[in-house]
Amino acid sequence: GDSVIQMQGQVTLSENDFLFINCTYSTTGYPTLFWYVQYSGEGPQLLLQVTTANNKGSSRGFEATYDKGTTSFHLQKTSVQEIDSAVYYCAMSDTGNYKYVFGAGTRLKVIA
Amino acid sequence: GPKVLQIPSHQIIDMGQMVTLNCDPVSNHLYFYWYKQILGQQMEFLVNFYNGKVMEKSKLFKDQFSVERPDGSYFTLKIQPTALEDSAVYFCASSLGLGGGWEQYFGPGTRLTVL
Repeated sequence: GDSVIQMQGQVTLSENDFLFINCTYSTTGYPTLFWYVQYSGEGPQLLLQVTTANNKGSSRGFEATYDKGTTSFHLQKTSVQEIDSAVYYCAMSDTGNYKYVFGAGTRLKVIA
Repeated sequence: GPKVLQIPSHQIIDMGQMVTLNCDPVSNHLYFYWYKQILGQQMEFLVNFYNGKVMEKSKLFKDQFSVERPDGSYFTLKIQPTALEDSAVYFCASSLGLGGGWEQYFGPGTRLTVL
């Protein structure tokens, strides 16, 4: 079945450090890929959607890239700030777009 | 932006009792979803619902679970009877669907504790 692997469970950075989170996916369909961010006490909210191979999306200083060849997608930010501390999830929707398959999440802690 | 509301935010019940989790989705959305997240684990799909019917459900959506949205009111998840392993945070989501985009908007979650 469809799956998303997100290996980095916890990342601690200092302000202005570079952030890179990686996910790999497996599907027999044609996926749409997302990055969601979840702040403490809230539900996940969409950060970025990436649909085209080797294309990039960007939002709030974050950039997402997608490599169909390696079935992987990445989230990066050049210079993180303390307010970026949150849990970041990669997610994939299946061909029918009826559900998301989430990665395990990466808890980012940024120290001032 | 569009908001999904969930009521209550916390619910504590005894094993074997019935519980109903309520979701107020984005007003013009047509597709509705429930996800389950056990503490420290990833979020997992339970069920989606469109036009009064379940479209797809996962293995986690046990026979004790049911969903409905009577007359455009709350989208509900009912568990009857509850079991200890049902303790988790349940997230509701909605999306506009075909032609309007498949981005899912999530509520803040209901933390269910079964004793």
